[in-house]
Amino acid sequence: EDQVTQSPEALRLQEGESSSLNCSYTVSGLRGLFWYRQDPGKGPEFLFTLYSAGEEKEKERLKATLTKKESFLHITAPKPEDSATYLCAVQALSGGSNYKLTFGKGTLLTVNP
Amino acid sequence: SQTIHQWPATLVQPVGSPLSLECTVEGTSNPNLYWYRQAAGRGLQLLFYSVGIGQISSEVPQNLSASRPQDRQFILSSKKLLLSDSGFYLCASITSGSSYEQYFGPGTRLTVT
Repeated sequence: EDQVTQSPEALRLQEGESSSLNCSYTVSGLRGLFWYRQDPGKGPEFLFTLYSAGEEKEKERLKATLTKKESFLHITAPKPEDSATYLCAVQALSGGSNYKLTFGKGTLLTVNP
Repeated sequence: SQTIHQWPATLVQPVGSPLSLECTVEGTSNPNLYWYRQAAGRGLQLLFYSVGIGQISSEVPQNLSASRPQDRQFILSSKKLLLSDSGFYLCASITSGSSYEQYFGPGTRLTVT
């Protein structure tokens, strides 16, 4: 069974204080690892897809990296508007064309001004 | 790019009443469609997915059902709601041949009283 564990559950940062969120996973053949951002009361917003170990992707203050067992979402010099819940999900090759995702419980990030 | 619509946005229903939530997708054809439920502290739980009209796969045994009467329409139903059905319901879509990321709708907040 595919599993995704995110840590920490909650993270409080001061504006400008860089940090990282962790996503550990077990999957029987990884097709892709996905990062989403979710604001309160809204649907998740797609951020990144990573396909193979060593891959990195960046978007503004966010950078996602991938190893064979985990992914990190690095937040550089965060601003209060980066406050949200960040979700990690994996998609297994064994799923074929159903493209199902298994999600972690998320990390609630709060950035104080 | 695809757009996902969900309605209603919020719903308060008594225990034992029926339920019908609707999801429609614009800007794509023949998508895979997904229903998720998000409860506090539990992350996103996949309920149903569909790879085509009339094709429904259930992930979790429960008193909910899903139907796909048209290519870009996905409906979540229940004959009798339970208190435990309360949560945030999200519809997601993925288009084959894309980079496999799922895009989410705005969600429906269901409170069963």
